[in-house]
Amino acid sequence: SQTIHQWPATLVQPVGSPLSLECTVEGTSNPNLYWYRQAAGRGLQLLFYSVGIGQISSEVPQNLSASRPQDRQFILSSKKLLLSDSGFYLCACYRGSYGYTFGSGTRLTVV
Amino acid sequence: SQQGEEDPQALSIQEGENATMNCSYKTSINNLQWYRQNSGRGLVHLILIRSNEREKHSGRLRVTLDTSKKSSSLLITASRAADTASYFCATDAAGNYGQNFVFGPGTRLSVLP
Repeated sequence: SQTIHQWPATLVQPVGSPLSLECTVEGTSNPNLYWYRQAAGRGLQLLFYSVGIGQISSEVPQNLSASRPQDRQFILSSKKLLLSDSGFYLCACYRGSYGYTFGSGTRLTVV
Repeated sequence: SQQGEEDPQALSIQEGENATMNCSYKTSINNLQWYRQNSGRGLVHLILIRSNEREKHSGRLRVTLDTSKKSSSLLITASRAADTASYFCATDAAGNYGQNFVFGPGTRLSVLP
């Protein structure tokens, strides 16, 4: 079965600092990978998805970027964080009939 | 763009009662999925129902889909305190397989012991 590893679990960063969140997948090859952001008490907003190495689709214009340097690695980055970047970030892998497998999430607080 | 919208936003019931949550969406779909999220955790996939299916069961879960009304319901029978969580529906657009699922804002379910 597929497993998503996502770290760190929590992160407090000052405004203007860079960001790098990493997600790795085990148990599958050539997965569709996703980054979602969830505001407190809200639904999920799709930020980026990737269907293969080097292929990134952005859903929402923002201060963030994503990269997929390896088949099972998906990275979310920012050069300069804003207060509005605070939230709960979730990485996910699509498993067809079995839906998404989600990582355990990173709670980012920008101060 | 299409979107799943859960209803109600919050639901509080006693242990042993049934909980029903609804999801409405706007455009044709390939399938609809329900997820559960415990506070501060990732989402867990519960059940997927395809557009040509009308009802599916999984343990104490029952999901229905009415494509004519563009709606789905999730029924949890004989609820337990451990069912306390937020529940989300997710839909994909017909012809857009696995590339962009849209999640609703969720229903927060509280099951009181």
